[in-house]
Amino acid sequence: EAGVAQSPRYKIIEKRQSVAFWCNPISGHATLYWYQQILGQGPKLLIQFQNNGVVDDSQLPKDRFSAERLKGVDSTLKIQPAKLEDSAVYLCASSWTSDMNGNEQFFGPGTRLTVL
Amino acid sequence: GDSVTQMEGPVTLSEEAFLTINCTYTATGYPSLFWYVQYPGEGLQLLLKATKADDKGSNKGFEATYRKETTSFHLEKGSVQVSDSAVYFCALSDRSDYKLSFGAGTTVTVRA
Repeated sequence: EAGVAQSPRYKIIEKRQSVAFWCNPISGHATLYWYQQILGQGPKLLIQFQNNGVVDDSQLPKDRFSAERLKGVDSTLKIQPAKLEDSAVYLCASSWTSDMNGNEQFFGPGTRLTVL
Repeated sequence: GDSVTQMEGPVTLSEEAFLTINCTYTATGYPSLFWYVQYPGEGLQLLLKATKADDKGSNKGFEATYRKETTSFHLEKGSVQVSDSAVYFCALSDRSDYKLSFGAGTTVTVRA
C-alpha cells in the first residue's frame, strides 16, 4: 500500500514570498490533516478535511495560510506571504475517517520550509 | 485544553540498555493515547496505542500502559538497539473530536 506522498521535500524562500505544498493521501482515506512542526516541538494541527470539506481550521492563520482539497483527494497548502516564523516542517496525514476508534493517522515525510 | 508533557531529551544510551520515556497528559475526558516514532529522514509512524485505562500497547519490543490514576503513558523498552535511534512523540486523541495533541518529542540516540 502506498503511503502519504508530499512534495516538495525541501523549500527555501525569502520572506514575503509565496509557497505551496502538495499532499496525496492514502487511497480511500476520507480524512486529511495538515500539521506544522516547528523545530523542537510536536506537530500542531493546522487544518482537517473530511472529503473535500473543512472540519477544523481553528489553528490556521487565515490571513496568510490557505488550504484546499478539491475532489476530496489531493490537497494543497499555501502560504502567502511567508514570514520568518513559518520556518517549519509541514506534515500531511490521512486516516480512514475522523471518527475511527483510536484515530490512526498515517503521516507523509513532510516538507521542510526555510524562510530567509 | 488537552495537553501532553513528555520527558525532555536528548537521551543517549548504549546498546542493550533499558529505555524509559515519561509521558503525562491532561484531558477532560478519556482520551486514546499513542506513541509515534520518527526515524531520521522519515515521516511519523504509529508505534503503539492504548484506547482505555489499563490497556497495554506493545510493538517492536516497546510497551506502554495507560494509567488513568497517574494520567501517564510511559514508553519502555528492555534492550534498545542502534536502530531504535529516533524521535519519539507521545500523543492523545480526545474522543469528542478525535484531534491529536502531541508532546514536544524526545530524541533518543543509541550507541553501539
